[in-house]
Amino acid sequence: GAVVSQHPSRVICKSGTSVKIECRSLDFQATTMFWYRQFPKQSLMLMATSNEGSKATYEQGVEKDKFLINHASLTLSTLTVTSAHPEDSSFYICSARDTRVSYNSPLHFGNGTRLTVT
Amino acid sequence: GENVEQHPSTLSVQEGDSAVIKCTYSDSASNYFPWYKQELGKRPQLIIDIRSNVGEKKDQRIAVTLNKTAKHFSLHITETQPEDSAVYFCAASKADSNYQLIWGAGTKLIIKP
Repeated sequence: GAVVSQHPSRVICKSGTSVKIECRSLDFQATTMFWYRQFPKQSLMLMATSNEGSKATYEQGVEKDKFLINHASLTLSTLTVTSAHPEDSSFYICSARDTRVSYNSPLHFGNGTRLTVT
Repeated sequence: GENVEQHPSTLSVQEGDSAVIKCTYSDSASNYFPWYKQELGKRPQLIIDIRSNVGEKKDQRIAVTLNKTAKHFSLHITETQPEDSAVYFCAASKADSNYQLIWGAGTKLIIKP
C-alpha cells in the first residue's frame, strides 16, 4: 500500500531557529500533500495544501511566512517552521493520497513530527 | 462550508461489548466518509471508509453505516478488545473541494478490562 515517510519524528530546537520537516511519498507520486497540526487531545487542523510545482494553499489564520512549504517534486514536500517560538510546539503530520487509485482514495499519513521549541 | 460533528467525545465500554461512535455532516454534497484510528503519539490510520452510494460496509469487527437523508454516519465496533483503545476520528469530503477532509473532533475510546 501507499507509504508516506516523514522526518524527523522528534525535534527540539531553540527559540528563534528554523526547523525543516520532510514528507515523502515512497511508492507513489503525490501532486498534492496536506500538512496538519495537532494539539494534545484535539483533532487534526489542516494548515495548508502543498501543490507540486506551485504555491501552497494556506488555511485561514495560518501564516505563510511562518510556515514555509515547498513541494519541489512529485514525492517530496517540506514544511519549514521559521523563527520558531514555544507556541509553535506541536505535533505536525503530513498526508497524501495516491491519485493513481482515484482522486477520492484514502489519505495516508506520515508518522508525524513532535516539535518542541525551548 | 462542511461541518462535521462527532459524539461522544469519550466512550468507555467493557471489553467484549460493542462501541458506537456517531458523526453528522452538514453538506449534502459530501460523498466520502473515512474513519481513522489514532493511538497516542502516532499517526492516524484508516480503519474503514464508506462512499455515498453504499449504506453499510463491514470489515470483521468493524462496520460503518451511512444515512444520507439524515446526513449521519456511524462506526460500530463489536467484541471490543483492549487494543481498540484509541482516539477515533470521522471525516467527510466531496469532489469539488479536492476531496479535502473535514474532520470530526474525535472520540476517545476506552476499553475496560
